[in-house]
Amino acid sequence: GNSVTQMEGPVTLSEEAFLTINCTYTATGYPSLFWYVQYPGEGLQLLLKATKADDKGSNKGFEATYRKETTSFHLEKGSVQVSDSAVYFCALISSGSARQLTFGSGTQLTVLP
Amino acid sequence: NAGVTQTPKFQVLKTGQSMTLQCAQDMNHEYMSWYRQDPGMGLRLIHYSVGAGITDQGEVPNGYNVSRSTTEDFPLRLLSAAPSQTSVYFCASSYGTGRDLTEAFFGQGTRLTVV
Repeated sequence: GNSVTQMEGPVTLSEEAFLTINCTYTATGYPSLFWYVQYPGEGLQLLLKATKADDKGSNKGFEATYRKETTSFHLEKGSVQVSDSAVYFCALISSGSARQLTFGSGTQLTVLP
Repeated sequence: NAGVTQTPKFQVLKTGQSMTLQCAQDMNHEYMSWYRQDPGMGLRLIHYSVGAGITDQGEVPNGYNVSRSTTEDFPLRLLSAAPSQTSVYFCASSYGTGRDLTEAFFGQGTRLTVV
C-alpha cells in the first residue's frame, strides 16, 4: 500500500534560517506528491505539489522536487519567517485502489523572532 | 464561495451517545472525504465518496457511517461514541481524484472529545 514518512518534529528555527523537512514515500503506480500546511486552529491548505518525476513545486518561497530515484519530496525554504510557524504535511495520491490522499504524520515548525 | 464548511467546531460527547458531524461544500466537487487527525499519526481516511449515492470505506471506518444523498453534503455519523474516537475530524472535497487530483480543499475541522 501507500505510505509517507516525514521527519520527526518539532522543529524550532530562528527567523531567516534555512528549512528542510524530509519526506519519503512508497506508492503503487506513479503518485502525485503534495505538501499541505496547517496553521493554528485552521484546516489544511495546499502549499505546493508535483505530479511527475523531476517536477519542482514552489509557493511562498517554499520548494520541493519530486525525486523518483530516491522516492523523496523534501520541503525547503531559504529564509523562514515567524509567520511560517505551522504544521506541515507531506502527502501523496496514486492511481491505486483508494485514490485518496495518504498523509505523513506532520512536522510542527516553530520559528522564533 | 464558502468552500468546505464543517459544523460543529467543537463537541463533547458521553460514551455511547450518537451524533452527526456535518460537512457541506459549494464547489460542485464530486469527491468528498472524511479524515481523523491524531497526534503523531497524521490524517487517516475514514470514509470517502466519489459522487452522490456512492460511498466507500477508508483506512479506519469502524464506528462511523456516511451517506451522500446530494453532491453538496457528506455527513459523518458516530453511532455509539467511544473514547477512542476523541480526535479532530476534517472533511475534504476535490474535483478529481487519483492522477486527476489538482487540489483537495479542507474544512476547518471538528474537535470531538468523548468522555
